[in-house]
Amino acid sequence: ETGVTQTPRHLVMGMTNKKSLKCEQHLGHNAMYWYKQSAKKPLELMFVYNFKEQTENNSVPSRFSPECPNSSHLFLHLHTLQPEDSALYLCASSQDRSGRWLRTDTQYFGPGTRLTVL
Amino acid sequence: AQSVAQPEDQVNVAEGNPLTVKCTYSVSGNPYLFWYVQYPNRGLQFLLKYITGDNLVKGSYGFEAEFNKSQTSFHLKKPSALVSDSALYFCAVRGARDTDKLIFGTGTRLQVFP
Repeated sequence: ETGVTQTPRHLVMGMTNKKSLKCEQHLGHNAMYWYKQSAKKPLELMFVYNFKEQTENNSVPSRFSPECPNSSHLFLHLHTLQPEDSALYLCASSQDRSGRWLRTDTQYFGPGTRLTVL
Repeated sequence: AQSVAQPEDQVNVAEGNPLTVKCTYSVSGNPYLFWYVQYPNRGLQFLLKYITGDNLVKGSYGFEAEFNKSQTSFHLKKPSALVSDSALYFCAVRGARDTDKLIFGTGTRLQVFP
């Protein structure tokens, strides 16, 4: 295991539902990330947090709302999703010693949440 | 602009034979290169990375990768494949500028046959 956990592992929701994905890292890292993985497409970076502050929003629709209450926890709140949002959502963390996302730091990934939007 | 390419969707190799998974990249300045592996229903696991120094990088599970600046490549290799190496492999690159992001390739599925 990588030290990054995600719950739930599987989620099926309707377009009008509201749900949340949770990520927790036990590595003492300061930076956390949300990625979207769709079939036949490269991983898409969604959000980056450093020391609980959002440092990057990669043009993600507002129906995805991240929350980072502390350096160990990251949430992704979902509402009024579309079927094309069905994908594997991956959380990752890395050590950030300087308050910036260091380009050489290794990111460690959780197992992902498989989301299906009906 | 940064980019990374994995030209093969799938690589098939017999157990015990050497394997190569190809990766080429394009960045401005020096690249920082990573390989990750993804097993079914799992997240990505870090294998190895090149930052600077020796062009041959050794990583987990007997994998290694060679950085070739002139060919802008970072191919993943293993001298003797195992059936358990069957998985999805991702190459990723980040440039040296502060605004550069970590960019992933589309992945290569490695199938090792007994």
